[in-house]
Formats: sequence, structure tokens, C-alpha cells
Amino acid sequence: TQLLEQSPQFLSIQEGENLTVYCNSSSVFSSLQWYRQEPGEGPVLLVTVVTGGEVKKLKRLTFQFGDARKDSSLHITAAQPGDTGLYLCAGAYGNQFYFGTGTSLTVIP
Amino acid sequence: GAGVSQSPSNKVTEKGKDVELRCDPISGHTALYWYRQSLGQGLEFLIYFQGNSAPDKSGLPSDRFSAERTGGSVSTLTIQRTQQEDSAVYLCASSANRLTDTQYFGPGTRLTVL
Repeated sequence: TQLLEQSPQFLSIQEGENLTVYCNSSSVFSSLQWYRQEPGEGPVLLVTVVTGGEVKKLKRLTFQFGDARKDSSLHITAAQPGDTGLYLCAGAYGNQFYFGTGTSLTVIP
Repeated sequence: GAGVSQSPSNKVTEKGKDVELRCDPISGHTALYWYRQSLGQGLEFLIYFQGNSAPDKSGLPSDRFSAERTGGSVSTLTIQRTQQEDSAVYLCASSANRLTDTQYFGPGTRLTVL
């Protein structure tokens, strides 16, 4: 059983389309992070959300932390081929750090 | 400045052999993590070192897996009597201090057990 479930697992869209990736848990997190991983590299942190209901924007990426701090979403507007990669949510729970199951995004030119 | 480095980048071994994977964290980072990632999947936590505290080994999948961190810096992940299911990318990360601090990842070691 995964502590952080992401959906969808795979997503293939055309350049210019919008998309949303979800990260859900039955547990409450003090904060959640979103990472992006490109092939052959380690994940790179995009953002950390801390407050329930918080919304953060990073250019065309919008991150939201659920009011109950059990879920988060990542919305990408007008996707570009450079957005292609594996998106991972993550957070600390207890004394461990957990990563989500991942969403593999492919943006077709 | 130098990031997290890992070696080797690729390792092919035969079933039953032992392997050692190395991680050089960012200088001054007190926390170090090892993860395992199967193709296109999320990261599976293996072990976490924090300063001089006893490491959290709760993620190690079997007693064939062990890890050390010498002098609070370099870490080695050892897999004894490798099995085909051990094939994966092994990622190391370090962070400044706390579990919630940003983790900086190395490029990983791709392990293939034949």
C-alpha cells in the first residue's frame, strides 16, 4: 500500500493542452513537495506547499495543497515538450520520507 | 558547487555476486538518503542517515542490503548475493538537515543483475 497515490500514472498530450496531476493520501502531511525527473537523472524539486489550501505558481505550473493537507494537485497550462518527464509528489510522515507512485507525462510537439 | 555524485553510473553483475554503490553527498549536508526506483516508477525509500544518529533502516527490503556512512560524508550501499529482482536504479540524495529540507539527488546507479 502506497502512502501517496498519484493519478494518472501515464499521460500523453499534445503541445498546448492543459493537464492536472493528482496526489492523494489518507494521511495528513505537514507539507508536500513536487519533483520532476527527466530520464537518466535524479528528481529535482519544483515546489513545497505547506499551508492547507495554499496555491503556488511557477510560470505555467500551478500547485495546490488541499485544505485538509491530505492531497495536492499540479496543473500545467499550455504544456510544452520541455514539460515531459516523471512528476513525483513527496512528503515526510513520521520519521520517513515518502514519494508518490509518479505520473509520467509526455508532451507531443 | 558540486552536487551529489554517485558511482558507478552503471553496474552489470551476475546473480549471486555482491555489489557496492557509492554516494558522495553535497558537502555540509547532514542528511543522506538511499532510494530504489524501478523503470518509470516512483521512489522506494531504503535508508536514511541523519548526522551521527543511528540510521533509519526500515526501508531495506532484506538483510542482503546494508549501508554505511563514514565520517558523516560518503555512503556505500552494499547488496550481497544479488538477485534479478534487485535490478533497478539506485538513487542517493542529501539534504541540509531536516527530513523536510529540499533533497538534492545524484544521477543514480543503474544496476542490472543477470
